[in-house]
Amino acid sequence: ELKVEQNPLFLSMQEGKNYTIYCNYSTTSDRLYWYRQDPGKSLESLFVLLSNGAVKQEGRLMASLDTKARLSTLHITAAVHDLSATYFCAVDSPASNDYKLSFGAGTTVTVRA
Amino acid sequence: NAGVTQTPKFRILKIGQSMTLQCTQDMNHNYMYWYRQDPGMGLKLIYYSVGAGITDKGEVPNGYNVSRSTTEDFPLRLELAAPSQTSVYFCASRRRDRGTRHGYTFGSGTRLTVV
Repeated sequence: ELKVEQNPLFLSMQEGKNYTIYCNYSTTSDRLYWYRQDPGKSLESLFVLLSNGAVKQEGRLMASLDTKARLSTLHITAAVHDLSATYFCAVDSPASNDYKLSFGAGTTVTVRA
Repeated sequence: NAGVTQTPKFRILKIGQSMTLQCTQDMNHNYMYWYRQDPGMGLKLIYYSVGAGITDKGEVPNGYNVSRSTTEDFPLRLELAAPSQTSVYFCASRRRDRGTRHGYTFGSGTRLTVV
């Protein structure tokens, strides 16, 4: 069974500083997703990473994928309050007649002044 | 495009009652999913469907049923509600080829409390 582990689970960030969230997964996958969830809201797609070495950036967020290490990172540059949210990584793996999307537990980010 | 629409947004059920959570998508996606999210946790797959008339169990199907009579609709039925089913339920859909930009599209969720 595919396991997806995120760390840290809670991250208190200081505005202006850089931080990294890690996502490890246990079996081979062909793509990895990062989502953002604000309290009481749905999941917003941030990145889809399709191949080894993939790097995507949007604003202060940058995601990368190392399929050999089964590791993805979400790097936050110069944190600002608007980035306070819960971030999930999720991994697609082949299942019987479909793919199965398995989620990490999420990283709750709080950005303080 | 409305995307994935879920109704109701909130519901309180008494133990033993039944209800149907509605999910509709207007993107002509073949694949649809139901997830539940317990407090402080990631999402767990309840049921999924790869097309009209085809459904299959996910990780946590007990206590739930689904049907898929059309491409657009994928309702989730709770029979004999139990407190353990208190959760936030998300419906999601995707294209057959999963796409390269967003992959899965999620609805806004249904917050269910069983008392």
